[in-house]
This record gives sequence, C-alpha cells and structure tokens, in this order.
Amino acid sequence: NAGVTQTPKFRVLKTGQSMTLLCAQDMNHEYMYWYRQDPGMGLRLIHYSVGEGTTAKGEVPDGYNVSRLKKQNFLLGLESAAPSQTSVYFCASSPGTTDTQYFGPGTRLTVL
Amino acid sequence: DQQVKQNSPSLSVQEGRISILNCDYTNSMFDYFLWYKKYPAEGPTFLISISSIKDKNEDGRFTVFLNKSAKHLSLHIVPSQPGDSAVYFCAASALSGSARQLTFGSGTQLTVLP
Repeated sequence: NAGVTQTPKFRVLKTGQSMTLLCAQDMNHEYMYWYRQDPGMGLRLIHYSVGEGTTAKGEVPDGYNVSRLKKQNFLLGLESAAPSQTSVYFCASSPGTTDTQYFGPGTRLTVL
Repeated sequence: DQQVKQNSPSLSVQEGRISILNCDYTNSMFDYFLWYKKYPAEGPTFLISISSIKDKNEDGRFTVFLNKSAKHLSLHIVPSQPGDSAVYFCAASALSGSARQLTFGSGTQLTVLP
C-alpha cells in the first residue's frame, strides 16, 4: 500500500514551457486535491475533485488545469509556466466522508 | 486576508517540557479543525482534530483545545520529544460547494532541544 505518490519529485522549467504533474493513490479515495506551498504561507488549494470525471476550482486555480479520468489518478497541468508558479506542489486524497486528507511527498517545481 | 493564522513562525522547547502551538481563525463558518505535522521533504501527515462542538480532544501526548468565542485553538504536546521537531500546520474546514475544503495556516517550526 503506497498511499499517495507524486511524479516527478523535482522539475525545472523555462518560462512558457508546459508540464503535467501526476498524482496517484491506491486507497480507493473519492476526493483528491492539489495544493501549492510557498515560503511563509500555508498550503493553498488549487483544484480538487470529488470523484472520477469531476473537477472544481480551489483558492488559486489560475494558470492550472486538472483532469481526473481515472479514480486513482489526478493530473495537474501547467500550459505555460511562469516564475510565479515556482513552488512545492502537494497532492492529497480523502475518503470523502471525513476531513482527514492524506498527502503525497510533494513535487518541487522551479520555473526560470 | 488570511483566515487561519499561526503568528509564531518558530518555537524552541526543551525535551520533556510542554510545547504549546497556537492558531487563530476569523471565519465563523469553520466547524472542524485539524493539526498536521510536516517533516522536511515529506508531505504533511494528520496529527489530531477537533469538532467545533467540543472544546478539547486528547490523543496520547497530543491535546487540542478549542475556544470558539475567541476563535482560537492550540496544540499541546506533553512531554515534548526530539522526534516532535517538525513544522506544524493548523487547518480549518468548512463546506464549500461540493466538498469540505481545508484552509491552512502558515505553519510553526517546532524544535525540541535534547
């Protein structure tokens, strides 16, 4: 049981490049979330999903897109990366009936 | 405007003593509160939670207190151990749209000195 995994762990992009971050969970959770964490700030919700095929905007959705084609996977896309998107990105999942979220190890993204 | 605030970026405590981490919130719609612990290069892990209908919840060395009238909660760790050294995030939950969303504070770095 791996829990929540994230791919890749580190990435460096140039401004304007695109990339996709992959989150996978093997706990059969309905809900999945993408957060970003910046220095001196808490985790901020980017997008979330309440089930396969559904997505919704969180607090800071601009510049990101997401897809949940399979229940176990939640993808975060950056179509045209900007230096302001330099951050650590965390994925999380929850059963949906509780507030406890289970987090992945994070992806450190640098946009030059 | 931050709805969940942790005003102490860092805290140092001697091993065996009590650690008290504080958190304030402004949104009256929050009805569930959680503490997460985070080690470097790892994701946050759930530590303890409390519903707004309670004022105290205890789990081993960890106790969370909630003062609704003051919109304040605190995490007590007794006794503190060196392995408790980590960043502690306070989070508050409210129903928003189709899901309950967590709002996090900025974290407090706890260092327990041996």
